[in-house]
Amino acid sequence: GENVEQHPSTLSVQEGDSAVIKCTYSDSASNYFPWYKQELGKRPQLIIDIRSNVGEKKDQRIAVTLNKTAKHFSLHITETQPEDSAVYFCAASSAVSGGSYIPTFGRGTSLIVHP
Amino acid sequence: EPEVTQTPSHQVTQMGQEVILRCVPISNHLYFYWYRQILGQKVEFLVSFYNNEISEKSEIFDDQFSVERPDGSNFTLKIRSTKLEDSAMYFCASSEYFGTSYEQYFGPGTRLTVT
Repeated sequence: GENVEQHPSTLSVQEGDSAVIKCTYSDSASNYFPWYKQELGKRPQLIIDIRSNVGEKKDQRIAVTLNKTAKHFSLHITETQPEDSAVYFCAASSAVSGGSYIPTFGRGTSLIVHP
Repeated sequence: EPEVTQTPSHQVTQMGQEVILRCVPISNHLYFYWYRQILGQKVEFLVSFYNNEISEKSEIFDDQFSVERPDGSNFTLKIRSTKLEDSAMYFCASSEYFGTSYEQYFGPGTRLTVT
């Protein structure tokens, strides 16, 4: 099955700095890579996703890059703000029977943005 | 914006008892999922449900677990004879037919504590 590794486990930055979280996956069939943000005690929420036919996707201060050859993908947050503080999970998945995607999650990165 | 809802928010039960966790997915969604998250760990897939049957399940989802869509709105997870290690946050999620969107929308979770 799929195995997703995520680094670092904790990332501490100053407000305004950039933050980068990296993930690797093992299954070359994976073709959908969502990123979730989970604030303390709350539900995971999708913040950005990328499909395998695209190498990069950007949404305001958030960008994701994908290298299918190397089987790694990264989340980039620019101009970090204290409200970006949360746990971020990467995930990798491929379409399964019936057409849904079952993500395998990484272990999460706790991002702390200091004012 | 429509949201996935879950009840109860917190359930305390004694080892060996049965629990039913309830979810109301977003009304036009066709895929339903259950995940669990042991405190401080990553989100783990349990089961997906489509067209009134299980479409995928993980190794975690053994005979102790069952899911049901008893009516047009509810989606339940039953855990028979709970064990201490079942203590976790259980998230329900739903998604549209993948042809339009891959995003899975998570509910707020039910914290299950087995004593």
